[in-house]
Amino acid sequence: EVQLLESGGGLVQPGGSLRLSCAASGFSFSSYAMSWVRQAPGKGLEWVSVITGNGGTTYYADSVKGRFTISRDDSKNTLYLQMNSLRAEDTAVYYCAKDRAQQLVGIGYWGQGTLVTVSS
Amino acid sequence: QSALTQPASVSGSPGQSITISCTGTSSDVGGYNYVSWYQQHPGKAPKLMIFDVSNRPSGVSNRFSGSKSGNTASLTISGLQAEDEADYFCSSYTSTITVVFGGGTKLTVL
Repeated sequence: EVQLLESGGGLVQPGGSLRLSCAASGFSFSSYAMSWVRQAPGKGLEWVSVITGNGGTTYYADSVKGRFTISRDDSKNTLYLQMNSLRAEDTAVYYCAKDRAQQLVGIGYWGQGTLVTVSS
Repeated sequence: QSALTQPASVSGSPGQSITISCTGTSSDVGGYNYVSWYQQHPGKAPKLMIFDVSNRPSGVSNRFSGSKSGNTASLTISGLQAEDEADYFCSSYTSTITVVFGGGTKLTVL
C-alpha cells in the first residue's frame, strides 16, 4: 500500500524559511516522479514542483521558481521541499504526491498534507 | 500557466448523470492525453478517479468515465449517489513540463 506522510509545516513569518519532508513507503520510491501540490484555504489545487525518478530532474511553477527547491533522498525514501523567502500567498496545505511514472504524467497518490501558514 | 476552466458548480439528483467540463489549450489538454480527474471530500486529500483522459484506476466505480474532444476534457458520473458529493478537479500535463489544474467544481447531489 502506497503511503505518503508529510511533515514540517507550521507558522512562519514573511521572508522566513521552512523545509517540508515526505516519507514514502509501499512502492519503489526511486522509480517514480514526485510532486508537491498546494491548496490555499478554500481554494483550488496548485501544482508547485516535480522531481523525476531515476535522475532527479526538477521543474517548478513560476510562482515559486527561485524561492523553492525540491529534492529527494532515495536512500531514505524521502521527498523534500525547501521553501525560502516565504510570502503570505504561500499559505496553504502542501501535499506530497506520487506520479504514475518516472516522468511527469499525472499524480496517482496523495499524502494527507501539511499546513504552512505565513503570517506575522 | 493559466488554470484550466471548470464550472464552479454542478448538481444532480440521485440516479441521474452529470458531466463536468475542463477547458484548456493546445498546450495542455488539447496537446496531450495526460488528463486526470480527482475527487476531494472536505478536509481530505484528493483521490485519483480518471487518468490518461479515460482510464479508471482499480477500485474506482465504473460510474465514472472520462473523455476529451479538442481542448476540452469531460468527466461524467452516472447513477449519482450521495457519496459522490465532493469537489472535482481536472489536471493536465503541459508543454512546459509542468502540471496545470482546473479551478475545481463542487458537485451537489440534491
